[in-house]
Amino acid sequence: EVQVVQSGAEVKKPGESLKISCTTSGYTFTNYWIAWVRQVSGKGLEWMGIIWPYDSDTRYSPSFQGQVTISADKSINTAYLQWSSLKASDTATYYCARADFYYYYLDVWGKGTTVTVSS
Amino acid sequence: EIVLTQSPGTLSLSPGERATLSCRASQSISSSYLAWYQRKSGQAPRLLIYAASSRATGIPDRFSGSGSGTDFTLTITRLEPADIAVYYCQQYGSSLYTFGQGTKLEIK
Repeated sequence: EVQVVQSGAEVKKPGESLKISCTTSGYTFTNYWIAWVRQVSGKGLEWMGIIWPYDSDTRYSPSFQGQVTISADKSINTAYLQWSSLKASDTATYYCARADFYYYYLDVWGKGTTVTVSS
Repeated sequence: EIVLTQSPGTLSLSPGERATLSCRASQSISSSYLAWYQRKSGQAPRLLIYAASSRATGIPDRFSGSGSGTDFTLTITRLEPADIAVYYCQQYGSSLYTFGQGTKLEIK
């Protein structure tokens, strides 16, 4: 069974750094892209970026370029999303999802990691 | 960047009725890269339709997708209370993904 398991909820202060994870199982990690999607409470889905774990080729949404870093460790089938300096506006739920190689749809989603940034 | 505009913003229908959700792209897109998702409150999104008209694994045939070019449609027949959710269209092109703003489906 294909599974995508995300790390737990985080509460941070503005200016702090954070790295959240997305661990997969049940398929060959290096054969699919992994995407990150943000959802601010009451708002819609926003695509942040995508990584090809085989060689860590990464593409970012222009809205998130320079604001976050996406990485992957293929030795442990895990992708990451990190911030160097959080802002209150980063408060949201972050989803990772597996992306189909040919059609790029997001077919298996993690349950989401809620990040709260507050002083 | 391609913009996806979904309409209506909110749709309120009775059980058993048919729902028609629209997704319009700001420029022509490949049908191969158009998908629909269902997001129920408190849950992760769920893939319903990919390549504009192919149902994902386990999705009942009450859900169907159609369209091409700039206009795409998600149709849900025989509405059930469990269909209450926000529905999103999504496209992929030029190494970028875009989501529509969502249509909220309410059941009367």
